[in-house]
Amino acid sequence: GAVVSQHPSRVICKSGTSVKIECRSLDFQATTMFWYRQFPKQSLMLMATSNEGSKATYEQGVEKDKFLINHASLTLSTLTVTSAHPEDSSFYICSASEGPTIYFGEGSWLTVV
Amino acid sequence: ELKVEQNPLFLSMQEGKNYTIYCNYSTTSDRLYWYRQDPGKSLESLFVLLSNGAVKQEGRLMASLDTKARLSTLHITAAVHDLSATYFCAVGPIYNFNKFYFGSGTKLNVKP
Repeated sequence: GAVVSQHPSRVICKSGTSVKIECRSLDFQATTMFWYRQFPKQSLMLMATSNEGSKATYEQGVEKDKFLINHASLTLSTLTVTSAHPEDSSFYICSASEGPTIYFGEGSWLTVV
Repeated sequence: ELKVEQNPLFLSMQEGKNYTIYCNYSTTSDRLYWYRQDPGKSLESLFVLLSNGAVKQEGRLMASLDTKARLSTLHITAAVHDLSATYFCAVGPIYNFNKFYFGSGTKLNVKP
């Protein structure tokens, strides 16, 4: 069946550097993908809607210059955390839909040291 | 912005007991989802409820949706330890089919 895959599953980076997380739809094309963030023991917060071929739409309070989203193809969206700080350490999850079915990626753990 | 409230936040129960988790949401929606999350893992889809009065059951879990009351419930029957996890409801607004807003989650601990 359809799968949404994220890479890397875990990443550690130094403060001030940038890190890129990929979200791929493996068996289907997704014109829209969504990025969520989850702090430990908290719920998932929608960060942005990634639109293929156009700019992402960010939720209120999410810094678009800090969380760069690119959706260059129908199967790939990337989230780049720029100038990462320890407070950006979190679990990032993407989702994509095929028809009425929503698929979530496996998630990516980001630790900024 | 659509708000989703879930309660209780924490639930500790003995095996064999029944309990219900509640999910209220603030705006019109025709879609409600329930997910399970184990520690350190992504989301596992449990139920998709797409109409008023929808009821779905899988094993010891049963979910229902009342769109008029903007309320969904997840009922646990005769809980077992394997059900220990965090459960989230998620609501999609009518104006955007694929966009979700999640409840705060209910951490369920079933004691043997």
